[in-house]
Amino acid sequence: AQSVAQPEDQVNVAEGNPLTVKCTYSVSGNPYLFWYVQYPNRGLQFLLKYITGDNLVKGSYGFEAEFNKSQTSFHLKKPSALVSDSALYFCAVRDMDSNYQLIWGAGTKLIIKP
Amino acid sequence: DTGVSQDPRHKITKRGQNVTFRCDPISEHNRLYWYRQTLGQGPEFLTYFQNEAQLEKSRLLSDRFSAERPKGSFSTLEIQRTEQGDSAMYLCASSLEGLSDTQYFGPGTRLTVL
Repeated sequence: AQSVAQPEDQVNVAEGNPLTVKCTYSVSGNPYLFWYVQYPNRGLQFLLKYITGDNLVKGSYGFEAEFNKSQTSFHLKKPSALVSDSALYFCAVRDMDSNYQLIWGAGTKLIIKP
Repeated sequence: DTGVSQDPRHKITKRGQNVTFRCDPISEHNRLYWYRQTLGQGPEFLTYFQNEAQLEKSRLLSDRFSAERPKGSFSTLEIQRTEQGDSAMYLCASSLEGLSDTQYFGPGTRLTVL
């Protein structure tokens, strides 16, 4: 069975510092990986995805993610955090066995302190 | 705005009542998904349409839940005889068919069952 894990419930970062939100996955075959962000009482916004190719994927709002096949990880990163980046971040993997639905991690709350 | 829209944004109902939610996907998208999300959790897959065909329904979905997409455009999700445990955010997403398609989410409908 395919799964996604986000090992940190919450990440605290000072404004201007780099941030990393961790995600590991377990799939059979090649993974299709996604990051979404959710602001309070809002739907999910797509940030970026990895399908194939370059292991470093660039996305919206200055975010990027690094795909590491040997470590089965897809960590979300940003070189310099903004207070407005504070939100809930979800990692997801495409379920290739079940009509392409997304399997989601539990989410990581990112808090950027001024 | 050409994004996914959902109506209503909020719904408060009494236990035992029926409720219906509507989702309007991005116009050229032929795939449509319904998810449920409870506080602090990742989205939980409910059902999926490709055009007007409902291709998959979660085993976790009770018979009180039904969804339609009669003309392959908008979709409705009905919950009959609501229970307090149905209180959640109901999210709709749409995508354009493809192995690496990206799901774009609406703002969600927050259901509170009293």
